[in-house]
Amino acid sequence: EAQVTQNPRYLITVTGKKLTVTCSQNMNHEYMSWYRQDPGLGLRQIYYSMNVEVTDKGDVPEGYKVSRKEKRNFPLILESPSPNQTSLYFCASSPITQGDYSRVGYGYTFGSGTRLTVV
Amino acid sequence: RKEVEQDPGPFNVPEGATVAFNCTYSNSASQSFFWYRQDCRKEPKLLMSVYSSGNEDGRFTAQLNRASQYISLLIRDSKLSDSATYLCVVTLSGSARQLTFGSGTQLTVLP
Repeated sequence: EAQVTQNPRYLITVTGKKLTVTCSQNMNHEYMSWYRQDPGLGLRQIYYSMNVEVTDKGDVPEGYKVSRKEKRNFPLILESPSPNQTSLYFCASSPITQGDYSRVGYGYTFGSGTRLTVV
Repeated sequence: RKEVEQDPGPFNVPEGATVAFNCTYSNSASQSFFWYRQDCRKEPKLLMSVYSSGNEDGRFTAQLNRASQYISLLIRDSKLSDSATYLCVVTLSGSARQLTFGSGTQLTVLP
């Protein structure tokens, strides 16, 4: 089954304790992205990756890191989490056909989400 | 000003009603448009794309007005299962940042 798998689904942690949220896709997609979703603010992009070893900042990258060492994996790292990073996080992937980014929305697949609470 | 704006609702409608949502976008270079559906605390899923000529998928009709920079979603004969948050999504031409999401419109269909 084609899917994007995020782990963990729920995480409660303390301020300052480094954590990693994993994301893996089995569709051989070039493009992967992380979003956070907060009430009234919608989905905001944190980081994205166009392919292996190619990553770039989205709208809200502060306090986050990512890496893309393999095509299928795109972990989100919080080096020193703070309470304002309490949120619902989604990973997503998409094929990019012939460099046509505008068609990404047609094949966008999200993971099931990670609800993070930082106390 | 937000890049993509939606009325957050909530819209509470009786079963069988027709309901319409609008969404405005600020960047005239926006190229592709979509409606996504998100059930409570779950991941968004593509509902339908929005084409310049308008398009229909069963009870759902999407329209695009480039001159006024808005898109709409019409749901006819609404069902209880249509209760969800509907997200308006746009992409910019050639943008590597991909999709920009509205904050969503919440719909509850009442029995």
